[in-house]
Amino acid sequence: QVQLQESGPGLVKPSETLSLTCTVSGYSISSGFYWGWLRQPPERGLEWIGSFFHSGTTYYNPSLKSRVTVSVDTANNQFSLKLRSVTAADTAVYYCATSWPGNYFDAFNVWGPGTMLTVSS
Amino acid sequence: QSALTQPASVSGSPGQSITISCTGTSSDVGGYNYVSWYQQHPGKVPKLMIYDVSNRPSGVSDRFSGSKSGNTASLTISGLQAEDEAEYYCSSYTNSITLEFGGGTKVTVL
Repeated sequence: QVQLQESGPGLVKPSETLSLTCTVSGYSISSGFYWGWLRQPPERGLEWIGSFFHSGTTYYNPSLKSRVTVSVDTANNQFSLKLRSVTAADTAVYYCATSWPGNYFDAFNVWGPGTMLTVSS
Repeated sequence: QSALTQPASVSGSPGQSITISCTGTSSDVGGYNYVSWYQQHPGKVPKLMIYDVSNRPSGVSDRFSGSKSGNTASLTISGLQAEDEAEYYCSSYTNSITLEFGGGTKVTVL
């Protein structure tokens, strides 16, 4: 069973860059399936940030694309999220997730527990 | 404002069936059979209930079913139970190779 765990600073100042890491266990990211980041502001709905296939292109939410980078560290079986120029509107629970055990771009079957990220000075 | 439109709330009595709609356009829901539904209890991680319009992941109760007609997808919960009380979100693949979510529907078991 694959497991995911997000890690991050918890608090970021406005205009700075948010950096989060998702550590994957139980399966090698480079072997297959889709992997992605999503977020959920307090008391609000889910928002997709971006996804990638194990060896291919990364796809981003158009509303965030200019500020987001998702990268993969296959050596450590991790993938990361960088979100630049953050504002209070970026305050949210951030989740990493995967389509494992299916190759579905549109379906996240396994999620990390989520990490709360607050943007505040 | 979410790209996909869901009713804010739906309610039903135990044992009844309820249906949640998710309306998009021909560029997302109507154009592809790639609609998913998630259940989220307060403070918990979302759980995938339906993928590719009508498929259930292993372990999901067959009381949950999905369908689609035109630009509207639907999630039906049959034999409503107290544990089904939660927020439900739909998502869809789009012709821009992105994912969109609905705003969520709160299901209340009366």
